Parts: sequence; C-alpha cells; structure tokens
Amino acid sequence: DVKVTQSSRYLVKRTGEKVFLECVQDMDHENMFWYRQDPGLGLRLIYFSYDVKMKEKGDIPEGYSVSREKKERFSLILESASTNQTSMYLCASSLTGYEQAFFGQGTRLTVV
Amino acid sequence: GIQVEQSPPDLILQEGANSTLRCNFSDSVNNLQWFHQNPWGQLINLFYIPSGTKQNGRLSATTVATERYSSLYISSSQTTDSGVYFCAVESQAGTALIFGKGTTLSVSS
Repeated sequence: DVKVTQSSRYLVKRTGEKVFLECVQDMDHENMFWYRQDPGLGLRLIYFSYDVKMKEKGDIPEGYSVSREKKERFSLILESASTNQTSMYLCASSLTGYEQAFFGQGTRLTVV
Repeated sequence: GIQVEQSPPDLILQEGANSTLRCNFSDSVNNLQWFHQNPWGQLINLFYIPSGTKQNGRLSATTVATERYSSLYISSSQTTDSGVYFCAVESQAGTALIFGKGTTLSVSS
C-alpha cells in the first residue's frame, strides 16, 4: 500500500515563527501536493510539485513556500506564521498526472 | 478555473438506507476521484473514475463525462460510512485535483 506520512499530527506555533510541515511518500510518486482544509471552504490547493526541485503555485500560495529536494519528500514552509494560517494541512501524492491520489493523515496547525 | 459543486451538502440517514451523492463540474475532465474523510481527518480514496462505472462492495460510482457529472451510490449504509465525501477533478488543462466542498453524511443506528 502507498504510504504518505506527515511529520506531525498536531502542532501549536506562535505568531511570527517559521514553521516546517514535512511530508514523505514511499511509492516513488512523481507528483506531490499540499492542501489546506477549513470549515465551509473544503480543500484548497496551496502548492504542488511534479518533479524534484519543481514547484507550481496552487490557488492560495500567499504566505507559504515549498521545498522538494528529494523525490519522496515535500515540505511546506510558513515563513512567518499568522493566526489566519490556523488550519488542517493535508499532503498528497500521485504516480503521475491523472492518477489516483493518496493522502497523509493531516497536520492540524494552530497558530497562537 | 474549473468549478466543482457537490450536492446535497448534508445528508442524514438511518442505517440500511441507500443514498446518492452528486458531483457536477464545469469543464471537461481527465481525472475524477471520490474520497471519504473519516472522523479523524484521514482522506481515503474510494474511486478513480474519469468515466464509466465502477463498483466496490456497497459503493458504486458513475461518471458521465459528456454531461459533466458524477454520482456516488451508497447502498445499505452503515454507521461507519459517516464522514465527509469529496469529489475532486482535474481539468484537461489542469495539473492538480480541485475539490468540491463535500457532502457530510451522518448514518445513525
């Protein structure tokens, strides 16, 4: 089975901190994605990557950056955390485009 | 960009009932998937179904690409079916899944 693992299940950070959310997949997938999920808004795409060192902005990239130095790892970075970035963050991967996507367990981030 | 609308937004059922969830999308798609999010937040992929019909146990899904909709059918619902069901699509011009806002299903015994 495909496994997508996010480094933390719950995280509490202070306003202004630099925050790293890590995601690792074990199936040699080309594509990786970061979404955030908020009540009433569903899942919104932040960034995605279709290859090492490649990245593309999604619908809501402001306040975030990403890093993909190795194929299996995709990191989401909050340069200076703010309270409006309190959310559930979900990482996903897929073999290529137009393939079945698999999600991690999610990281519930609270910024205080 | 492509729009994805799911209906109904909420659904309450008694155990054993059947239900149909609907997903309408605004453009041609190369990729359509259904997910179930359990109460702990984990998203499980139910179907990859850009066209046609698939069945997996009590669940089946049909996508009619020419009419820009997909349906998820749940038969003999169980309390473990509770959660949020998402439809996600990728347009022919797109490179990532775009999600609808989901249908929240509550099944009581």
